[in-house]
Amino acid sequence: DTAVSQTPKYLVTQMGNDKSIKCEQNLGHDTMYWYKQDSKKFLKIMFSYNNKELIINETVPNRFSPKSPDKAHLNLHINSLELGDSAVYFCASSHLRQGGTNEKLFFGSGTQLSVL
Amino acid sequence: SQQGEEDPQALSIQEGENATMNCSYKTSINNLQWYRQNSGRGLVHLILIRSNEREKHSGRLRVTLDTSKKSSSLLITASRAADTASYFCATDAGADSNYQLIWGAGTKLIIKP
Repeated sequence: DTAVSQTPKYLVTQMGNDKSIKCEQNLGHDTMYWYKQDSKKFLKIMFSYNNKELIINETVPNRFSPKSPDKAHLNLHINSLELGDSAVYFCASSHLRQGGTNEKLFFGSGTQLSVL
Repeated sequence: SQQGEEDPQALSIQEGENATMNCSYKTSINNLQWYRQNSGRGLVHLILIRSNEREKHSGRLRVTLDTSKKSSSLLITASRAADTASYFCATDAGADSNYQLIWGAGTKLIIKP
């Protein structure tokens, strides 16, 4: 069984459209994340979320919004897509230890977003 | 936010040789983690080393941590073609990084058969 699954794997869309990427984890983790990986493989944290707190990277445009219907899901919604949004988006989850120490992250296989 | 730095950016070696990658960081940390990313795939956790540890092994992997120099190294012994991937370090600096992992830019490792 896949621990962290995200769909779709590929997403091709036009500028200005709104799209969502779904993520589910079956590991019982309390914290989920969205990362953006650019063409140079640089990883940038976009959001982290547990059932208590949403932490937003202040550099992320407000066109991006995470939505968590329950503890096992963290979807990413993107409004008014722009060319610069083209990248690979990764969902991840982990158990955040007491005191805020990050244990290892489990990643989904990624969604390659291409905005035309 | 501050970023870890890895070197080299790319490394190409013959199968069977050892591969060493380095990671430097800027703040005090709780732990440092190494991940592997195969082409077109998600990242996979390899090893976590805590700030009070100096060395850790897992199979053919050996990780060292020098907190005085704020650096870590990942050694892969007896490399195989399947080790071809990008390798990332990530540091957990706790409150100093708003409880987010800080990632390096990665080392691209190519193992030539």
